[in-house]
Amino acid sequence: QQQVKQSPQSLIVQKGGIPIINCAYENTAFDYFPWYQQFPGKGPALLIAIRPDVSEKKEGRFTISFNKSAKQFSLHIMDSQPGDSATYFCAASKRGFQKLVFGTGTRLLVSP
Amino acid sequence: GAGVSQSPRYKVAKRGQDVALRCDPISGHVSLFWYQQALGQGPEFLTYFQNEAQLDKSGLPSDRFFAERPEGSVSTLKIQRTQQEDSAVYLCASSLEAGVSYGYTFGSGTRLTVV
Repeated sequence: QQQVKQSPQSLIVQKGGIPIINCAYENTAFDYFPWYQQFPGKGPALLIAIRPDVSEKKEGRFTISFNKSAKQFSLHIMDSQPGDSATYFCAASKRGFQKLVFGTGTRLLVSP
Repeated sequence: GAGVSQSPRYKVAKRGQDVALRCDPISGHVSLFWYQQALGQGPEFLTYFQNEAQLDKSGLPSDRFFAERPEGSVSTLKIQRTQQEDSAVYLCASSLEAGVSYGYTFGSGTRLTVV
């Protein structure tokens, strides 16, 4: 049973474009929603995270939009660069629980 | 060290062989996690330690999987009688705080291939 559904599976944008990756969840007990970036041969690295009391959070070129009523959240990458080419994972966790539930990942390619 | 260190980076095991995967967390980190990442998938939780105590092992797929962290620092994930479906990248993560799901630092993983 997949608790966090992520789309699209892969995405190609040109340099300077704004890729958008979407995630949806069912469990209303989730209260922490991070995004991770993973390069080949490396472990995931935290990019940005949000809690459901805010609708948007920005850190540098990365923005999370959160829609609590729709149980959806998304990652936007502004002015994307070839160095952003990686696999991106959304995740979620419940208050008081340590484990993260990950989406299936989106492979992003930013062409020069 | 500066990051989470995992060894070996690659392991090829014959079906039925036992393997041991090592994780050296960041010094002083209380929490330690193991995740399994199948090819083309997101990481899936296996187990969680707070210091030396294994507080959650709900993700271990079978009794062939065993993890320990006897002195609250280095951890070992052991898989007995490996099967082809065990082929995956095994990721270790550590966190400074106890009882939280944020502040993870992941290692680069051990890629296990069972032939």
